[in-house]
Amino acid sequence: DSGVTQTPKHLITATGQRVTLRCSPRSGDLSVYWYQQSLDQGLQFLIQYYNGEERAKGNILERFSAQQFPDLHSELNLSSLELGDSALYFCASSATGTSGGYEQFFGPGTRLTVL
Amino acid sequence: AQTVTQSQPEMSVQEAETVTLSCTYDTSESDYYLFWYKQPPSRQMILVIRQEAYKQQNATENRFSVNFQKAAKSFSLKISDSQLGDAAMYFCAYLDKFNDMRFGAGTRLTVKP
Repeated sequence: DSGVTQTPKHLITATGQRVTLRCSPRSGDLSVYWYQQSLDQGLQFLIQYYNGEERAKGNILERFSAQQFPDLHSELNLSSLELGDSALYFCASSATGTSGGYEQFFGPGTRLTVL
Repeated sequence: AQTVTQSQPEMSVQEAETVTLSCTYDTSESDYYLFWYKQPPSRQMILVIRQEAYKQQNATENRFSVNFQKAAKSFSLKISDSQLGDAAMYFCAYLDKFNDMRFGAGTRLTVKP
């Protein structure tokens, strides 16, 4: 158990709908990352938050947005869903500090199926 | 931008044998970190091993060890005494000092009994 939690585990929805994925980082971790993994593909970095502020952006579509709340949990919002958005969405968290090099610990993922 | 390349989409090994998974990366930085993550069929991402670029000594974690060649920008993972539970996708990852992490495309390891 990495200490990172994600809900829900599975989500099935229809095209055009909007969903929200939730992530709680490990205790004390200020950084949260979101990744998308399509079937048999590698991980695509979407976005990073640090202590409530957006830190870095990857290949995140305009239909997707995220935020990190004061209690450090994060939500990834996916709207106008398309079939191609079906994937496993991971949240990861890491410690931060001046020395850097903190590995990311991953949650179990949310499997999104768009029908 | 830093890129991570895993040139072996699939590998197989006989149980109890040794296998080496390859990874190369491209960077102009001198201060960075490298990781191997394992993703079993459960799809959970599990950290296997880490290596700091400033350390010359290769990291070891039980049956897992790395061969870190900084000049060649190579970071291979050796799994000794392979077990059925080692069957998984293995991802090589590069992390810079700004906590920007890049993953390779992965290598699917099959372990034959």
